[in-house]
Amino acid sequence: AQSVAQPEDQVNVAEGNPLTVKCTYSVSGNPYLFWYVQYPNRGLQFLLKYITGDNLVKGSYGFEAEFNKSQTSFHLKKPSALVSDSALYFCAVRDPNTGTASKLTFGTGTRLQVTL
Amino acid sequence: KAGVTQTPRYLIKTRGQQVTLSCSPISGHRSVSWYQQTPGQGLQFLFEYFSETQRNKGNFPGRFSGRQFSNSRSEMNVSTLELGDSALYLCASSSAGARNTEAFFGQGTRLTVV
Repeated sequence: AQSVAQPEDQVNVAEGNPLTVKCTYSVSGNPYLFWYVQYPNRGLQFLLKYITGDNLVKGSYGFEAEFNKSQTSFHLKKPSALVSDSALYFCAVRDPNTGTASKLTFGTGTRLQVTL
Repeated sequence: KAGVTQTPRYLIKTRGQQVTLSCSPISGHRSVSWYQQTPGQGLQFLFEYFSETQRNKGNFPGRFSGRQFSNSRSEMNVSTLELGDSALYLCASSSAGARNTEAFFGQGTRLTVV
């Protein structure tokens, strides 16, 4: 069975500074990896995905993620954080052997707090 | 293109009652999944429907059930509600047969059991 770990409950960063939200995964075979963001009382909003190809994936709102197969990691990054980036971030993995894109295993989430 | 629509947004129910939540997927999406989100357990997969058939099921008791209609709209039902069922229930839809696509989520239904 696949699993995802987000080792940090919260990440604090000053506006303008780079941010990193960490994610490691465990899955048999090639992973399908995703990042979602959740604002208060809202659903999940898709940010980016890694299916295959370049290890650096670019997504919405200036976010990017680096896939590292040897370290089984998929860390989310942004060069310059904004206060409006403050939200709950989820890393997720999809079992590549299932025929569905909507059965995901999520990490526990990391709260990003960006301050002025 | 309209996103995933969940109704109602908020519900308050009493222990022992039952509840039905509705999800309309993005037009053309035939796969619909349901998730439960709680502070203690995080995001947990409930079940997935495709072409009116349950294709995957998470580890939830039989009180949690669902169905999908021919237009891909889905409902989930929880019977004999317990206080622990209080949660945000999220619906996600995705294109069938497209293995490299992502799932799109609705805004959720906040269920409070009192």
